[in-house]
Amino acid sequence: GQSLEQPSEVTAVEGAIVQINCTYQTSGFYGLSWYQQHDGGAPTFLSYNALDGLEETGRFSSFLSRSDSYGYLLLQELQMKDSASYFCAVAAGGYQKVTFGIGTKLQVIP
Amino acid sequence: DAGITQSPRHKVTETGTPVTLRCHQTENHRYMYWYRQDPGHGLRLIHYSYGVKDTDKGEVSDGYSVSRSKTEDFLLTLESATSSQTSVYFCAISEEEREFPDTQYFGPGTRLTVL
Repeated sequence: GQSLEQPSEVTAVEGAIVQINCTYQTSGFYGLSWYQQHDGGAPTFLSYNALDGLEETGRFSSFLSRSDSYGYLLLQELQMKDSASYFCAVAAGGYQKVTFGIGTKLQVIP
Repeated sequence: DAGITQSPRHKVTETGTPVTLRCHQTENHRYMYWYRQDPGHGLRLIHYSYGVKDTDKGEVSDGYSVSRSKTEDFLLTLESATSSQTSVYFCAISEEEREFPDTQYFGPGTRLTVL
């Protein structure tokens, strides 16, 4: 089976940088994804890493180390609207099955 | 935004009654999923479909059944609802995109309360 670990809560100051870590155990790893979910909303896709290294998309970056089964999401220049839950997810096996972590609730404070 | 709708968006029902949730997509994506989301558990896969009439179980499938008679529709049925099935249900779709092969697009969710 697959399992993921990520911190349950993180608090950071507006304008700062925050890193949300994710470790995973899986068989047949394809890639690590990150999703954002605001309270009352649906999860939305943020980023995907299939290879080792850093992927940058605006203020958000995502990193993957396949050898360490580890990744992180980096949010820069935090804004109040970044307050949300962030889920890491891994795909393993066939048929596009994805397993999600329990999510990290990020609170951005002034 | 991906064209995914869910109906109903909110439902209150009583223990023992049957409930059917509908997911409709306009993207012609092959894969469709039903998740439930509960505090402390994140998103858990109930059932998924990899084509018309092709479905399989996820990690929390007990008490649920699904059907997919058309590419665009994926139905989730609770044959006899229980209070433990009170949850927010999300439908998702995906396609094997070259750049982001595992990306899933989620519907707005259905909040189900079983009394």
